[in-house]
Amino acid sequence: GESVGLHLPTLSVQEGDNSIINCAYSNSASDYFIWYKQESGKGPQFIIDIRSNMDKRQGQRVTVLLNKTVKHLSLQIAATQPGDSAVYFCAEGGSYIPTFGRGTSLIVHP
Amino acid sequence: EAGVAQSPRYKIIEKRQSVAFWCNPISGHATLYWYQQILGQGPKLLIQFQNNGVVDDSQLPKDRFSAERLKGVDSTLKIQPAKLEDSAVYLCASSFHGDLRETQYFGPGTRLLVL
Repeated sequence: GESVGLHLPTLSVQEGDNSIINCAYSNSASDYFIWYKQESGKGPQFIIDIRSNMDKRQGQRVTVLLNKTVKHLSLQIAATQPGDSAVYFCAEGGSYIPTFGRGTSLIVHP
Repeated sequence: EAGVAQSPRYKIIEKRQSVAFWCNPISGHATLYWYQQILGQGPKLLIQFQNNGVVDDSQLPKDRFSAERLKGVDSTLKIQPAKLEDSAVYLCASSFHGDLRETQYFGPGTRLLVL
């Protein structure tokens, strides 16, 4: 079946470094992707989204890159801060049923 | 603007018991979603409502799970009888129109433990 998955379950970085979280998807018809941040004990929080007609989109300290050729997207966080520690999910929102990946736990060391 | 409200925040029950969760979406949001999030996994959609109608419930285990949104505002999700594998966080989300390319706003979730 179709799936949205993440490469790494845990990513540890030092405060101030840049973080890159990767996500692979298998449905070539997917046309919309969202990154969510989920802190412990809370629901997912929208970070940034991208449509399939774009390769890159930037927000505040975050950038999402989409490579449709290899069906891969990444979330880049600049100057990672301790408050960025959370689980990050990519999700596909273009199909009828919203589909979330497994998640990557980002740990930021001060 | 108030966010999505859910209650209770935590619930512990024994298997074969019944449990109900409540969600109040953001005011004015037509679409309401219930997700199940098992530990270590991403949320999985159980049911989607548009106002008081069901848009999709293909992943809802209908032999034991039921949900309603009678007045098109708040919603209740029920499990009867509960199984051990139902232990999870149950998340409610809402969005304004229901376009799947639209941001969903999530509540804090209800953590269910079935013993």
